[in-house]
Amino acid sequence: SQQGEEDPQALSIQEGENATMNCSYKTSINNLQWYRQNSGRGLVHLILIRSNEREKHSGRLRVTLDTSKKSSSLLITASRAADTASYFCARHQGAQKLVFGQGTRLTINP
Amino acid sequence: SQTIHQWPATLVQPVGSPLSLECTVEGTSNPNLYWYRQAAGRGLQLLFYSIGIDQISSEVPQNLSASRPQDRQFILSSKKLLLSDSGFYLCARASTTTEGKLFFGSGTQLSVL
Repeated sequence: SQQGEEDPQALSIQEGENATMNCSYKTSINNLQWYRQNSGRGLVHLILIRSNEREKHSGRLRVTLDTSKKSSSLLITASRAADTASYFCARHQGAQKLVFGQGTRLTINP
Repeated sequence: SQTIHQWPATLVQPVGSPLSLECTVEGTSNPNLYWYRQAAGRGLQLLFYSIGIDQISSEVPQNLSASRPQDRQFILSSKKLLLSDSGFYLCARASTTTEGKLFFGSGTQLSVL
């Protein structure tokens, strides 16, 4: 598959714990993006990390990128029930197309 | 504004019936526009993208077609729906920066019965 692949497919943790999701890809990238999708809704862009960056933060989100391993991770710290959603990584395939992985379904238990 | 209008939110159609889903966007002119489909609990499959009026690229052979009659209008159509066309259809527009972030509409849940 040319898409990013997330793992795990599903993750269930207690509120307050940290959640880590991983994404692997197969070809070179200019940047890698993470999106969030609440059930039955459209995706929302969370964070973008460029190929020359190794780590990026946004609030409780931390994204890392290892281009040698062709992998990225998304860490959500101090999780809240409202973080329950599906999370997708995405990368460009050519200049115009953005392809998505299968996603990680995150459940935060109160 | 990056507002994307997508309707209807929910649609139930019989097999063999036609389909027309419309997406209109606000903001800068000549945006790149996209149609994705998502099966339940799965990732997004890119169906079509458009870089301009009447410029459509199809990603997978299927029972669907797309048109872009106006700069900010993107339409997904089918002449005869199949059961396998059921899914969650999402319209998106690309940001104007070179990084190519996408902004998504709220989606249409299509059930073909």
